[in-house]
Amino acid sequence: DAGITQSPRYKITETGRQVTLMCHQTWSHSYMFWYRQDLGHGLRLIYYSAAADITDKGEVPDGYVVSRSKTENFPLTLESATRSQTSVYFCASSGQGALNQPQHFGDGTRLSIL
Amino acid sequence: DAKTTQPNSMESNEEEPVHLPCNHSTISGTDYIHWYRQLPSQGPEYVIHGLTSNVNNRMASLAIAEDRKSSTLILHRATLRDAAVYYCILDYSNYQLIWGAGTKLIIKP
Repeated sequence: DAGITQSPRYKITETGRQVTLMCHQTWSHSYMFWYRQDLGHGLRLIYYSAAADITDKGEVPDGYVVSRSKTENFPLTLESATRSQTSVYFCASSGQGALNQPQHFGDGTRLSIL
Repeated sequence: DAKTTQPNSMESNEEEPVHLPCNHSTISGTDYIHWYRQLPSQGPEYVIHGLTSNVNNRMASLAIAEDRKSSTLILHRATLRDAAVYYCILDYSNYQLIWGAGTKLIIKP
């Protein structure tokens, strides 16, 4: 089935470790997004990408790195994980940015940093 | 940044209509109003969006006030599967959707 998939679904790691969350979409959407959602709160945008090799910061980019070498993939890397980065991470895509187009979300990655 | 205000929670009976309110008094003329919902342990799901006119789709209706300072999401006949957190979001610039805490909708059988 076409869609947006995130991996892994669950991840436990230790402070200081590097961890990469994967996101893959099969719609050929130009825009992709990474959000984090902390318990009981709405989503906050970390980074977004308008196309391959084009990325930009969102509301909370510190401590995160993204890349987009291919349209369908948008990995998110925590270079040195901290406990404050424990959260649920959602990847999304849309055909033409957020204006006037819905975003389609993956099922999320639950990341725990000990 | 334009922000939205929603009630923390609402209850409704199954098979009855539900009206979810949202206030956005600082909305600008080009901000779209989006609604998403999130079921437990799932990613958000798009529901509907609009700019000035009322909108309908298979999931819901969106009623936008004439001054655009408020809007209402209408679920015409709620089912237990509609129990979720509903987010009212303004889409203002740079492709960033600013999410609030949303309204937790509880459906009673």
